[in-house]
Amino acid sequence: DQQVKQNSPSLSVQEGRISILNCDYTNSMFDYFLWYKKYPAEGPTFLISISSIKDKNEDGRFTVFLNKSAKHLSLHIVPSQPGDSAVYFCAASQGGTNAGKSTFGDGTTLTVKP
Amino acid sequence: DGGITQSPKYLFRKEGQNVTLSCEQNLNHDAMYWYRQDPGQGLRLIYYSQIVNDFQKGDIAEGYSVSREKKESFPLTVTSAQKNPTAFYLCASSRTGTRSNQPQHFGDGTRLSIL
Repeated sequence: DQQVKQNSPSLSVQEGRISILNCDYTNSMFDYFLWYKKYPAEGPTFLISISSIKDKNEDGRFTVFLNKSAKHLSLHIVPSQPGDSAVYFCAASQGGTNAGKSTFGDGTTLTVKP
Repeated sequence: DGGITQSPKYLFRKEGQNVTLSCEQNLNHDAMYWYRQDPGQGLRLIYYSQIVNDFQKGDIAEGYSVSREKKESFPLTVTSAQKNPTAFYLCASSRTGTRSNQPQHFGDGTRLSIL
C-alpha cells in the first residue's frame, strides 16, 4: 500500500522548457509536502515544500501546486536547465504521533537536454 | 560547515556477519532517520529517533538495529538476520521530530554489498 506515488519514472524535456513532475497521495492526514532532488551517489537535498493550507508555493524557478481534493501535487520547473537533471522525490508528512516521519515516492528521473 | 557524515561510503559484508554503518551530524538536530533505497525505488524508513535514548521502528526494521546514545550519532547495524542487505543506505536528520514541516538533511549514503 504505497501512500505516495510518482507514476512517471522518467521525464525528458528540452532546455528552456517547463518540466512538470507529478505526485499523488492517498493519506488525507498528510499536512505537509516536500520535494527533494537527488544526484547519483549523493543524498537527496531539500528543494521546496508546501503546507496543506496552501495551494501554491514558489521559489525562483520552482513552483509546487497542491490540489487537496484530488490528493495531487506537482512541481513545475521553469525554465528547465541541464543542471536540473536528477531524480526528484516527492515526500509527505503528518503531525501527531507520526510527526517528523516522511513517506517518499519512488522518484522521477528528470533529464533536461541542451 | 554543518552537515551529516556517513561512513564508510562503500561496505562489503560476508554472509552471517553484522556490520555497522556510521552516521554523525553537527547540525544540532533532534531527529535522525535511516532509510534504505533499492534500485528504481524510493526511500523506505528503517528506524528513526526523535530524541536521545529513544527510537522507533520504521516500515522495514526487521534485521536492523540502532542506538541513539548521543544527539550527534545514530549508528545502524545490519544484522545477519537481514537476508537481503544489499542496498544504498541513507541517514538523515531534521530540526525536530515533533513537527511535520521540517525538511530532512541527508548524508551521501553508504552502499552495502554482500561478498
